[in-house]
Amino acid sequence: KAGVTQTPRYLIKTRGQQVTLSCSPISGHRSVSWYQQTPGQGLQFLFEYFSETQRNKGNFPGRFSGRQFSNSRSEMNVSTLELGDSALYLCASSLTSYNEQFFGPGTRLTVL
Amino acid sequence: ELKVEQNPLFLSMQEGKNYTIYCNYSTTSDRLYWYRQDPGKSLESLFVLLSNGAVKQEGRLMASLDTKARLSTLHITAAVHDLSATYFCAGNRDDKIIFGKGTRLHILP
Repeated sequence: KAGVTQTPRYLIKTRGQQVTLSCSPISGHRSVSWYQQTPGQGLQFLFEYFSETQRNKGNFPGRFSGRQFSNSRSEMNVSTLELGDSALYLCASSLTSYNEQFFGPGTRLTVL
Repeated sequence: ELKVEQNPLFLSMQEGKNYTIYCNYSTTSDRLYWYRQDPGKSLESLFVLLSNGAVKQEGRLMASLDTKARLSTLHITAAVHDLSATYFCAGNRDDKIIFGKGTRLHILP
């Protein structure tokens, strides 16, 4: 069974730009969660989607948004990038919110 | 709001020794997770603990859960260098998974 895939793996952007990251969950998994990982703040929950609906959102500004498609693939978008948005963005999929999560390799975003 | 605290945050130990990482959480958590992360890599699921008294073991790692004390432990037996990594515990409440800050484990040969 293929694992969680994330594209792109690396991104370099400049302040003020926007970025879209993509996540393809394990086949059959309907829950997709996004996390931001930084050395200072650690792993922080961004949001979770289940069956195309956002079920939960962490404490991030509205510049961070996401969506999920009918095939469970998910995208997250960050608009008006700031230097502090530089991080590893991890996507995780699971059968439901309560099941074990499987993480993708992450997208490393650098904002210059 | 669920808060998850791990200690220690950094641990350097000799091969062959035993040690325990502690994970305290502030309020009821539906379940407790342990993950491993190698430098520059993603997270790998180690254990999912579902109920009070749950104990799971995989190789030299053993995780347990005490829901009354709101405490989970990850015990390392006879550590080997390959276990060097960062270990995260996480709790689940209201459909949100909240991670601890991680314990960076460095095992010296």
